[in-house]
Amino acid sequence: DAGVIQSPRHEVTEMGQEVTLRCKPISGHDYLFWYRQTMMRGLELLIYFNNNVPIDDSGMPEDRFSAKMPNASFSTLKIQPSEPRDSAVYFCASSLATGGDSPLHFGNGTRLTVT
Amino acid sequence: AQSVTQPDIHITVSEGASLELRCNYSYGATPYLFWYVQSPGQGLQLLLKYFSGDTLVQGIKGFEAEFKRSQSSFNLRKPSVHWSDAAEYFCAVGARGTYKYIFGTGTRLKVLA
Repeated sequence: DAGVIQSPRHEVTEMGQEVTLRCKPISGHDYLFWYRQTMMRGLELLIYFNNNVPIDDSGMPEDRFSAKMPNASFSTLKIQPSEPRDSAVYFCASSLATGGDSPLHFGNGTRLTVT
Repeated sequence: AQSVTQPDIHITVSEGASLELRCNYSYGATPYLFWYVQSPGQGLQLLLKYFSGDTLVQGIKGFEAEFKRSQSSFNLRKPSVHWSDAAEYFCAVGARGTYKYIFGTGTRLKVLA
């Protein structure tokens, strides 16, 4: 089991540019979550998917953020256009399809810096 | 609404000393409770979880936690800390019937040699 795989590990971009973060969940996990971690706000849930369908995107900060899950093994989080305040570590996590009692398995994160 | 409070932002202990990290939660029913550890540059790794039953749960790396309903607490303990335990520790609450997890703000542990 390779765990949750995220790419890239680090991304540095200029304000206004489009940023795409990628995630491969653990095979067989039906739930996928995108979190953002900052010093000021801690870990925030942005969006989560069940069986590739977005269930709750209420944590997505603005329309500049979008997420997709075209299949069970791949998800993207896109920011367009990026702003300096988007700088954070973005984590993808996956879990089995059980009722809230299934632990989250996190990737190593993507550290995004927007200058 | 559920919430998680970790009162200690930083804790420093000497290697070999015992450790207790505090976690208090607010939730209308018995929640699912988790402790995660995050090493620098890494994602969060599950240490242990409580769903029901025995209120003292054992986890990886020699950690344990005790669920105390009367105090709404789920404190993490280790009898003897190792230098490799230096990391940030997060308590989390999972709401039954949903897939939402609320994380505390974390406690950063420093271990003195």
